[in-house]
Amino acid sequence: EVQLVQSGAEVKKPGESLKISCKGSGYSFTSYWIGWVRQMPGKGLEWMGIIYPGDSDTRYSPSFQGQVTISADKSISTAYLQWSSLKASDTAMYYCARLDILVPGAFDYWGQGTLVTVSS
Amino acid sequence: EIVMTQSPATLSVSPGERATLSCRASQSVSSNLAWYQQKPGQAPRLLIYGASTRATGIPARFSGSGSGTEFTLTISSLQSEDFAVYYCQQYNNWPALTFGGGTKVEIK
Repeated sequence: EVQLVQSGAEVKKPGESLKISCKGSGYSFTSYWIGWVRQMPGKGLEWMGIIYPGDSDTRYSPSFQGQVTISADKSISTAYLQWSSLKASDTAMYYCARLDILVPGAFDYWGQGTLVTVSS
Repeated sequence: EIVMTQSPATLSVSPGERATLSCRASQSVSSNLAWYQQKPGQAPRLLIYGASTRATGIPARFSGSGSGTEFTLTISSLQSEDFAVYYCQQYNNWPALTFGGGTKVEIK
């Protein structure tokens, strides 16, 4: 069974750093792109970027380039999303999702989400 | 960037009725379009890809159509579990993926 399990909710202060994770299981982690999607409170879905764990090829949405870093450790089948200096506007639910291998633009499996709250 | 526009923002439908949701792209995306369903407190779920192909396990009452810039998701007979928010997403401009703003299907 394909599963993406994300790390737990975080409460941080502005200016702090954060790294959240997404562990894949039940499939060949290195063979599928993994993406990150932001959902701000009461809002829609925004694609942030994707990574191919096999060679760490990473692509970012222009809206998030330079704002976050996406990485992966294929030895433990885990992808990451990190911030060096959080802002209140980073408060959101963050989902990781796998891109379908046959339809590389469609997200076929999703993690349960990680809620990030940034507040002073 | 390809902008995806969904309409209406909210659709009020009675159980058993048909729901028709629209998604428009700012430029052609061919058939490279997916639809997702999101229920409150849950992650999105892939319903349709390639504009019209149902994902694994998706009931036949969900159907997608369209190509180019105009797309439709139809739910033929709404069940109680179908009341949710629906998003379209283009992947023609891979890796620049973009989602629509969503349509909330609510009980009339």
